[in-house]
Amino acid sequence: KAGVTQTPRYLIKTRGQQVTLSCSPISGHRSVSWYQQTPGQGLQFLFEYFSETQRNKGNFPGRFSGRQFSNSRSEMNVSTLELGDSALYLCASSSGQGSAAFFGQGTRLTVV
Amino acid sequence: QKEVEQDPGPLSVPEGAIVSLNCTYSNSAFQYFMWYRQYSRKGPELLMYTYSSGNKEDGRFTAQVDKSSKYISLFIRDSQPSDSATYLCAMSDRGAQKLVFGQGTRLTINP
Repeated sequence: KAGVTQTPRYLIKTRGQQVTLSCSPISGHRSVSWYQQTPGQGLQFLFEYFSETQRNKGNFPGRFSGRQFSNSRSEMNVSTLELGDSALYLCASSSGQGSAAFFGQGTRLTVV
Repeated sequence: QKEVEQDPGPLSVPEGAIVSLNCTYSNSAFQYFMWYRQYSRKGPELLMYTYSSGNKEDGRFTAQVDKSSKYISLFIRDSQPSDSATYLCAMSDRGAQKLVFGQGTRLTINP
């Protein structure tokens, strides 16, 4: 069974630009969550989607948004990029309530 | 105070040693507890997943949860150099949704 796939693996963007990251969950998994990982703050929850609906949201500004498609694939978007948005963005999928979360390899975003 | 506290280390032990990694937490609603291993420039890999209190063993790994003390542990027996990585504890009150992570402990196993 293929794991969670995130694209692209690396991105370099300029302050003020926007970026879209993509995540394909494990086949059959309907829940997709996004996390931001930085050396200072560690892993922080961004949001979670289930059946195309945002079910949970973390404490991030509105510049961070996401969506989920009918095939469970998900995208997250960051608008008006700031230097502090440089991080590893991780996507995790799970099959439902009470099940474990499996992570992708992440997208490393650098904002210059 | 963070919701989940984990000693960031670094922790360095000789090959073959028993390693003990720990996390404490403050939210009594947490019921789902996970341990992940993360190698440099990789995503976290699920090692152990437990629900509520008790012990769970998988090969060289044992996870313990003590909800009364709000304390979880991961033991690694017969540690190998390939176990060198950052170990992250994570927990939730609703399964895989909205995980709260510890800071991670950087572990090095010396041959």
